[in-house]
Amino acid sequence: DIQMTQSPSSLSASVGDRVTIACRASQGISSWLAWYQQKPEKAPKSLIYAASILQSGVPSRFSGSGSGTDFTLTISSLQPEDFATYYCQQYHTYPRTFGQGTKVEIK
Amino acid sequence: EVQLVESGGGLVQPGGSLRLSCAASGFTFSSYWMSWVRQAPGKGLEWVANIKQDGSEKNYVDSVKGRFTISRDNAKNSLYLQLNSLRAEDTAVYFCARGGSEADYWGQGTLVTVSS
Repeated sequence: DIQMTQSPSSLSASVGDRVTIACRASQGISSWLAWYQQKPEKAPKSLIYAASILQSGVPSRFSGSGSGTDFTLTISSLQPEDFATYYCQQYHTYPRTFGQGTKVEIK
Repeated sequence: EVQLVESGGGLVQPGGSLRLSCAASGFTFSSYWMSWVRQAPGKGLEWVANIKQDGSEKNYVDSVKGRFTISRDNAKNSLYLQLNSLRAEDTAVYFCARGGSEADYWGQGTLVTVSS
């Protein structure tokens, strides 16, 4: 199975900060990577697919980059509604696998 | 508006069975792969299974192979997950999601608790 490792596992940031979350795959996955946002007691929300393509309706302050094994999710200016847990997921190979999550908390 | 509504969760004893359902609306259900993803209490997301548009291809994570069965009824716009031989480690919220690769829409989930 492909292991997905996110870093950091948690971070504290202030409104307006630029935030970057890293995701590393244990083997190359081309650009077959998605990012999700999950708030407590809610379903995940799709943010990005194909490593860098924003889902419809997702604010442009979110961006994704990378290919192969190393990927990043960037929030250019953190907003109050962005405090949540973020997951990466590879869909290059079965089984689909997720990173362990990165919790973004208020500083 | 795309809607996915799961049902069928509950408390079940180890070794028991449960059938989860997901009612889809707001899109052409028969045109999409569909998936189940679960989340144990306080833990991360785990992909469980997916199924092709016509049901001809199904994929599972190893930990549920031989115990869980994914199926669909395109006439009823419904997705199912049959859970057999349940174990304590199957306790989780089970989400239905649209897509077989990335998942663009998710239901709110249904909680399955396996305990004696």
